[in-house]
Amino acid sequence: GAGVSQSPSNKVTEKGKDVELRCDPISGHTALYWYRQSLGQGLEFLIYFQGNSAPDKSGLPSDRFSAERTGGSVSTLTIQRTQQEDSAVYLCASSHPYGGELFFGEGSRLTVL
Amino acid sequence: GEDVEQSLFLSVREGDSSVINCTYTDSSSTYLYWYKQEPGAGLQLLTYIFSNMDMKQDQRLTVLLNKKDKHLSLRIADTQTGDSAIYFCAVPPTGANNLFFGTGTRLTVIP
Repeated sequence: GAGVSQSPSNKVTEKGKDVELRCDPISGHTALYWYRQSLGQGLEFLIYFQGNSAPDKSGLPSDRFSAERTGGSVSTLTIQRTQQEDSAVYLCASSHPYGGELFFGEGSRLTVL
Repeated sequence: GEDVEQSLFLSVREGDSSVINCTYTDSSSTYLYWYKQEPGAGLQLLTYIFSNMDMKQDQRLTVLLNKKDKHLSLRIADTQTGDSAIYFCAVPPTGANNLFFGTGTRLTVIP
């Protein structure tokens, strides 16, 4: 596709359930980022993938959060045993190797009841 | 870790200038960025400045960088109602290829 695609755009779940959020980056972009946007918190860095290198997971807030990137393309962010404080918009971005402009998807809005 | 701070809110009257400020604690010697997020949309790159510059002008936008004070600002001249959005500064920390974003400044332009 022409841009970064994220799904679902909206997800409502019950506390304690697991959720998966998907990101399809721009073709040819080897770098992929996940951020979380909460009210008043700005954009919180979660994880960064670059090609076949080990991902930078330093931003993941707890071990309930994990992400993988299969075949250097599509990425899935998984949140296990969701809590109400996980409610936020989860943004994915991709870029050419070694930085430069990040292209963002429109985000997945997660609401945990 | 990297800490990037911005004021949360700014209101200006249409036609006035807007100045959005950003302070950071660490930056590599590359580019620093300003992104814009319009209501209900994803972030888009607005402008950027290379770390060896102290000013960059791009039409109505002026970016100022003070590396000594670790301060970045974005000035929007002749602010229009269409400029109403959230503005994020973004800084790459030393030794890393990811980007840390500020808290975002919500700019409201009053007609």
